[in-house]
Amino acid sequence: GEDVEQSLFLSVREGDSSVINCTYTDSSSTYLYWYKQEPGAGLQLLTYIFSNMDMKQDQRLTVLLNKKDKHLSLRIADTQTGDSAIYFCAENPSGRADGLTFGKGTHLIIQP
Amino acid sequence: AAGVIQSPRHLIKEKRETATLKCYPIPRHDTVYWYQQGPGQDPQFLISFYEKMQSDKGSIPDRFSAQQFSDYHSELNMSSLELGDSALYFCASSLPTGHGNEQFFGPGTRLTVL
Repeated sequence: GEDVEQSLFLSVREGDSSVINCTYTDSSSTYLYWYKQEPGAGLQLLTYIFSNMDMKQDQRLTVLLNKKDKHLSLRIADTQTGDSAIYFCAENPSGRADGLTFGKGTHLIIQP
Repeated sequence: AAGVIQSPRHLIKEKRETATLKCYPIPRHDTVYWYQQGPGQDPQFLISFYEKMQSDKGSIPDRFSAQQFSDYHSELNMSSLELGDSALYFCASSLPTGHGNEQFFGPGTRLTVL
């Protein structure tokens, strides 16, 4: 069985970096994803990482994967008020067309 | 860029009624997924279809059924609705092969069962 865990809340000051952490249990996960959900809105795919990679960077976003510890993190540089949302990590246990297993989501709160 | 289209966006039904949700995937995407998100919860995978065949099955109740049509759109049929079925229902679609199996989500259908 798969289980994805995240901290429920993270509070950061505007301009600082945010680091959102996630742990997963399914060692066969091929791809791991980060989604962003604003209130009342759908899920926006931010980025993903393949399980044979350690790091992936995309503009302000950096994803780190520690496969040994089954730990995934999302770093948002220069956090802005528009980054305020719920961030979900998700895993794809095996191949294509499989449903994703999501964590409970981390509420990112931006302090002025 | 074209996105996943879901209809209706909002739906109000009474207990024991039926509901049909529709999903139109991004052009060229051949795989469709359905998810249910209760209030304050994470999305739960229900079912997926690849090339009109059921591909993976999650926690979809027996009262629900779904199918994918020849134009790749999908419908989720829900019968004998219960109060607990009130949730956001998302459809997602993905490209045929590779590309990280990225799933792109639609805006969701908010179902309220009274």
